[in-house]
Amino acid sequence: DTAVSQTPKYLVTQMGNDKSIKCEQNLGHDTMYWYKQDSKKFLKIMFSYNNKELIINETVPNRFSPKSPDKAHLNLHINSLELGDSAVYFCASSLQTRIQETQYFGPGTRLLVL
Amino acid sequence: KNEVEQSPQNLTAQEGEFITINCSYSVGISALHWLQQHPGGGIVSLFMLSSGKKKHGRLIATINIQEKHSSLHITASHPRDSAVYICAVLIIQGAQKLVFGQGTRLTINP
Repeated sequence: DTAVSQTPKYLVTQMGNDKSIKCEQNLGHDTMYWYKQDSKKFLKIMFSYNNKELIINETVPNRFSPKSPDKAHLNLHINSLELGDSAVYFCASSLQTRIQETQYFGPGTRLLVL
Repeated sequence: KNEVEQSPQNLTAQEGEFITINCSYSVGISALHWLQQHPGGGIVSLFMLSSGKKKHGRLIATINIQEKHSSLHITASHPRDSAVYICAVLIIQGAQKLVFGQGTRLTINP
């Protein structure tokens, strides 16, 4: 029973395509996150949602659009993919957002844009 | 300069050695996380601490809030400890936000 799951695990696509990555958590958490890990393994937050509401949007190009249909799901849609979008994308969740909480990470989605 | 700096960036040691990884940060924080990223890519939270010291098995994490510094220690290191260890500070400005260090790649040789 995976706590935070992501699909797909690997995604290889052509420049200019539109793709989506899905994330689901079964922990009953209120808050979910998307992180990007670049080729130098540096992690950076992209978005955070609390109870389906966007609360953090970190200067990410608007080709990236997160969608939270319910608090257990946070999907990431990317339009017009570019070479620089190649990275590992991690989803995470925590119980709440306004207090100190451990975050639980998904296994990552490795995106390669050719 | 990153808000969170780790040292060393790479560390190779022999099995059994005592390991120390350091993390310094330049911003006000609510807590600090130590994360472990396995060679397969998965990320696991090891510790979250806001003061003092925490111990879990062979792992010990300490934090000095005044000096804005944290250390992660591994006693009796083992090849299975080989991973990237990431320090991340938790900033709460209306919402919880993690800011990450660049990671320390640890290799323990048998």
